[in-house]
Amino acid sequence: GQNIDQPTEMTATEGAIVQINCTYQTSGFNGLFWYQQHAGEAPTFLSYNVLDGLEEKGRFSSFLSRSKGYSYLLLKELQMKDSASYLCAVMDSNYQLIWGAGTKLIIKP
Amino acid sequence: DVKVTQSSRYLVKRTGEKVFLECVQDMDHENMFWYRQDPGLGLRLIYFSYDVKMKEKGDIPEGYSVSREKKERFSLILESASTNQTSMYLCASSLGQTNTGELFFGEGSRLTVL
Repeated sequence: GQNIDQPTEMTATEGAIVQINCTYQTSGFNGLFWYQQHAGEAPTFLSYNVLDGLEEKGRFSSFLSRSKGYSYLLLKELQMKDSASYLCAVMDSNYQLIWGAGTKLIIKP
Repeated sequence: DVKVTQSSRYLVKRTGEKVFLECVQDMDHENMFWYRQDPGLGLRLIYFSYDVKMKEKGDIPEGYSVSREKKERFSLILESASTNQTSMYLCASSLGQTNTGELFFGEGSRLTVL
């Protein structure tokens, strides 16, 4: 079956760095997405990786290793507003998105 | 600014009632999707549509139907609501003929079935 695993919850301190991991087993691969979802709000797109390596976008970076079925989202200089759930999703060979359950990130002052 | 609008943020219905959830996007996107989001589970796809009058079943279509009469509007219908359909429902849209690219989500409709 198809599976996306990510930690349920993580806690980090304001100003620090946090890495949220995502491992996947899917039928084929056509890209990996990260979305941010604040409580009670719509998910919003953060990043898309289809080739191995690191994609940097401001304070956020996303890494992909297709051979390992692994990605991580790196958040630097954490701010209180980064408290949210982070959703990992993989597009399979049928171009269908398979979603992880999300990682709730709690930022403490 | 791009926008996906869902008609109701919160609904409370009784078992057996017919429920309509409306979604409108203003981005001229071809693709539209209905997901449900439950605690501890990833988003689960109910139905999707790549074009007007076209619909495809997702992973959990049982108990639901959809309608896409106009490009900008995608409706989710619960013919006879049941308590296990209590959930957050998210509509999304994306550009393109294939299911690639960024999804734009609505704010969600939280449905409670009593």
